[in-house]
Amino acid sequence: EVQLVQSGADVKKPGESLKISCMSSEYSFTSYWISWVRQMPGRGLEWVGTIDPSDSSTNYSPSFEGHVIMSADKSRNTAYLQWSSLKVSDSAIYYCARHGQRLPDYWGQGTLVTVSS
Amino acid sequence: QSALTQPASVSGSPGQSIIISCTGTSSDVGGHNFVSWYRQHAGKAPTLLIFDVSHRPARLSSRFSGSKSGNTASLTISGLQAEDEADYYCASYTGNSHVLFGGGTKLTVL
Repeated sequence: EVQLVQSGADVKKPGESLKISCMSSEYSFTSYWISWVRQMPGRGLEWVGTIDPSDSSTNYSPSFEGHVIMSADKSRNTAYLQWSSLKVSDSAIYYCARHGQRLPDYWGQGTLVTVSS
Repeated sequence: QSALTQPASVSGSPGQSIIISCTGTSSDVGGHNFVSWYRQHAGKAPTLLIFDVSHRPARLSSRFSGSKSGNTASLTISGLQAEDEADYYCASYTGNSHVLFGGGTKLTVL
């Protein structure tokens, strides 16, 4: 069965950097796009962006472009989401999700990111 | 781009049917046949219920069905069960590999 396993929860201070991961298994990693989705505490789902693991081409939501970077390592079947300078407002659960045709089908378990001074 | 519009909450009694709407524009819901629905139980990751407007993943109960008319997509849950109590989200493809989610609907089973 398709699985997306994300890295564990992390606690950082404002201004610090962070890279979270999403490791895929039981399917061809390069054949399906992966999206990252943010869920702030008590709030809904927000699309961060999508990466095509076959060539690492990316599409970002205007709300997140310039603040996060998506990447992928084909040799490790792993996608990444990173920040160079975290803000308190980045505190949220971040999900990775594989795309079926144009939209997510299988989801990772989520990574809780806490940014606090 | 604003989130797709969903009712904040809906409720129903066990055995009843409910409908959750998801309203967008001709640039998203109305312009593509790529609308999905997800269920999210408290503290869990979302799971796929419906894809491509009206298709169910294999092994998913036929109690869940999807449809679309113009700029509004709908999720119908029939034969409500206690386990259906959760948050429900719609999502639409908007072109250029972009995705837009709805604001979410909290379903309460009375």
